[in-house]
Amino acid sequence: EPEVTQTPSHQVTQMGQEVILRCVPISNHLYFYWYRQILGQKVEFLVSFYNNEISEKSEIFDDQFSVERPDGSNFTLKIRSTKLEDSAMYFCASRSGSAAKTETQYFGPGTRLLVL
Amino acid sequence: AQSVTQLDSQVPVFEEAPVELRCNYSSSVSVYLFWYVQYPNQGLQLLLKYLSGSTLVKGINGFEAEFNKSQTSFHLRKPSVHISDTAEYFCAASGGYNKLIFGAGTRLAVHP
Repeated sequence: EPEVTQTPSHQVTQMGQEVILRCVPISNHLYFYWYRQILGQKVEFLVSFYNNEISEKSEIFDDQFSVERPDGSNFTLKIRSTKLEDSAMYFCASRSGSAAKTETQYFGPGTRLLVL
Repeated sequence: AQSVTQLDSQVPVFEEAPVELRCNYSSSVSVYLFWYVQYPNQGLQLLLKYLSGSTLVKGINGFEAEFNKSQTSFHLRKPSVHISDTAEYFCAASGGYNKLIFGAGTRLAVHP
């Protein structure tokens, strides 16, 4: 069964460094998402992406964050200058793309980011 | 503001006992509701979803949930749990254009 994959599974970085989190969505999917979960808190929406542009983003997704689909398979989240509060589990999700609100989003296993 | 509330952070239960995981949503949230499960070191997997129609929704692994509009609830139930059901369970609602709004999660611990 097709699945969303994410790399790395864990990343440790120093405050102020740039990190890139990578995701490979399911191959025929058109909509892509990033969510994050700070330890002990809710899973929060960050950004959605369709047709090579951001379709919606949350207040969390400030200028330090960017997303890109550099080729036909990868979907990346870049944090330019990490802060301690960026430490979280980051989930990538994708869906195939017909009905916006009703289609299932398929999630990857997550990348645990720790900023020291 | 749109919100989803899971009332229990942890639910311990013995194997073969019934379980109910509670979820309430704010009335401003679109009534498309989901339950996801996360097993250790894995991603979020869809258990079931309510879109419209029958208020009792059946999902995978013997789980079911009932949509109750008057109580703004979408509680998840299973009549007899197994050790393998030990996981984190997330209730979510479809809000806005296409994002999911999640509850804080409930950790189900099934004991022998």
